[in-house]
Amino acid sequence: GAGVSQSPRYKVAKRGQDVALRCDPISGHVSLFWYQQALGQGPEFLTYFQNEAQLDKSGLPSDRFFAERPEGSVSTLKIQRTQQEDSAVYLCASASSGSNTQYFGPGTRLTVL
Amino acid sequence: AQSVAQPEDQVNVAEGNPLTVKCTYSVSGNPYLFWYVQYPNRGLQFLLKYITGDNLVKGSYGFEAEFNKSQTSFHLKKPSALVSDSALYFCAVRDIGTGANNLFFGTGTRLTVIP
Repeated sequence: GAGVSQSPRYKVAKRGQDVALRCDPISGHVSLFWYQQALGQGPEFLTYFQNEAQLDKSGLPSDRFFAERPEGSVSTLKIQRTQQEDSAVYLCASASSGSNTQYFGPGTRLTVL
Repeated sequence: AQSVAQPEDQVNVAEGNPLTVKCTYSVSGNPYLFWYVQYPNRGLQFLLKYITGDNLVKGSYGFEAEFNKSQTSFHLKKPSALVSDSALYFCAVRDIGTGANNLFFGTGTRLTVIP
C-alpha cells in the first residue's frame, strides 16, 4: 500500500520567504508527526496531531513555524520569514490508532539561501 | 528529561561477520524503544521495537535487538552482515513517563559493511 508522501521533495527559498511543506499520511492513520532533521543529526520533534487536533506543539522552534491538519488527513507545515538556520530535512510520520510505530515519509529538504 | 546515546558515529564490519550498533537511553518512566534505518535521500524505515515482554525482539531483514533494563541499553544486532545493510541507523525512545507521543532520537550511527 501507499506510504507517507511529502511534497515538494526539495525546496530552495531565499531568506525571508514563506514556505509550505505538505504531508500525506498513510490512509486512516490518526496520528501525524513533524520532525526536523539537521545535517548530521537525528530527527527532532516539532509537533503532533491526533486527527485534526494539534495536541503537542512544544517542539516548534519559533512562532514562525505553524502546522495545520484541518480535515484530519493532509497536513501542512508552514515556515514564515525563513532563516538560514531553518535549512534542514523536514520529516513527516504517521501512525494508526493505538499503534506505537511511526512510519516516515521521504522528507522535504529545505535550503534557505 | 529523556535522552538517547549512540556512542559510535561509525561502525565498520566485514561482510558475513556479526554486527552490533550500540544504543543507551535515559527516561523518567518506562521506555518504548525503536530502531530505524535511513538510506540516502530516503526517510526513516522502521526496523523493530520493544514495548513490553520478551527482552529480545526480532525485526526486519534479520535484525534483532536486546532490551537491557539494568544497563538501559537497546543494542541492535545481526548475526551476518550484508553489504546492503550499509546505511545510517537511528535509535529512538518514547518516554511513557512523560505522556508524550513523540520519539526522541539519537544522533545516528553510520554502518559500513565491507565486501
